[in-house]
Amino acid sequence: EDKVVQSPLSLVVHEGDTVTLNCSYEVTNFRSLLWYKQEKKAPTFLFMLTSSGIEKKSGRLSSILDKKELFSILNITATQTGDSAIYLCAPGEKGGYNKLIFGAGTRLAVHP
Amino acid sequence: GAVVSQHPSWVICKSGTSVKIECRSLDFQATTMFWYRQFPKQSLMLMATSNEGSKATYEQGVEKDKFLINHASLTLSTLTVTSAHPEDSSFYICSAQIEETQYFGPGTRLLVL
Repeated sequence: EDKVVQSPLSLVVHEGDTVTLNCSYEVTNFRSLLWYKQEKKAPTFLFMLTSSGIEKKSGRLSSILDKKELFSILNITATQTGDSAIYLCAPGEKGGYNKLIFGAGTRLAVHP
Repeated sequence: GAVVSQHPSWVICKSGTSVKIECRSLDFQATTMFWYRQFPKQSLMLMATSNEGSKATYEQGVEKDKFLINHASLTLSTLTVTSAHPEDSSFYICSAQIEETQYFGPGTRLLVL
């Protein structure tokens, strides 16, 4: 059975701290892994990773995938209160529709 | 780009009524859309994959006669919750796919009294 485990489940930090969010997965017919940020409404897309070892970066956020060890990390440097959200990891399957399997998420709270 | 809308954003209905939720891709065409539900403090659970011009593919445990999906055009998919009951109260979210990435609508909160 496909499985996605995110850790930690929740994290409280102060502004300016750096955080690392982890995602390990077991997915048959793995194709890619996506990261999303969910605030009060629906998730917003952050990154899609398909190749091992290639870092994707967007501002203070970066992410990398290890297909051999079956995990991904999402780093946020110099955190701000606006980074407070739930971060969801979603590996996708090959096949007709690239179905995504969502982890439970990491709830990040950044305090001033 | 890649904007997905949902309507309505909130709906309250009486038990036994049916509710239709629309999902539209505003600036692109989507052959495939997905419908999820999310309970409080839980992650997204895929309900079904909606394919333009063909029948939806439902996940195990999701009743296709209760959750009717119609993907009538490349920019519109609808989810109808038939004979809604209080246990159907949830946050329903759709997504539309471009290549391998899913872009999500803002969600619809359904409360069944």
